[in-house]
Amino acid sequence: TAGITQAPTSQILAAGRSMTLRCTQDMRHNAMYWYRQDLGLGLRLIHYSNTAGTTGKGEVPDGYSVSRANTDDFPLTLASAVPSQTSVYFCASSRGDNQPQHFGDGTRLSIL
Amino acid sequence: GQNIDQPTEMTATEGAIVQINCTYQTSGFNGLFWYQQHAGEAPTFLSYNVLDGLEEKGRFSSFLSRSKGYSYLLLKELQMKDSASYLCAVMDSNYQLIWGAGTKLIIKP
Repeated sequence: TAGITQAPTSQILAAGRSMTLRCTQDMRHNAMYWYRQDLGLGLRLIHYSNTAGTTGKGEVPDGYSVSRANTDDFPLTLASAVPSQTSVYFCASSRGDNQPQHFGDGTRLSIL
Repeated sequence: GQNIDQPTEMTATEGAIVQINCTYQTSGFNGLFWYQQHAGEAPTFLSYNVLDGLEEKGRFSSFLSRSKGYSYLLLKELQMKDSASYLCAVMDSNYQLIWGAGTKLIIKP
């Protein structure tokens, strides 16, 4: 089934460790996004990529990095995890500006 | 700053109609989106408004007034499966989505 695949589904991570959340889409969408969703808050944009080879910072980029080597993949890396990064992380993609974003199933990350 | 306001929670009865409001203040406007999110799942796209007026899609309709910074999502003939959170999001001048915290809709039999 076409769509966005995120891995892992959930993870418990010790503070100070590094982790890469994977995101792959097979819809050939140009734009991809990483959000975090915390209770009582709206989705907050971490990083985005308008097209392969380019990335940009969103609202809450500190502590996170991304790369976009090709159209399909958009991994998110936490270099040294901290407890405040405990959240549900969603990857999304869209064909471009003004187009609906399609979301993966999310990664539930707990930093202890 | 940029701000999206929507009620935290609403309760409605199966078979009834409910209106979920969203007001926004953003730097620029390039459209407003409504998404549905069931508990523990990903958001899914419901509607998009960029011009003033009402867009109807089956049981769901969405309205926009750009001059008032206001939108609503109207759900008719409510079903138990409509119990979910409804997220309002505005695309700003940089084509980034600014999200509200969501309205949790509880449907009672």
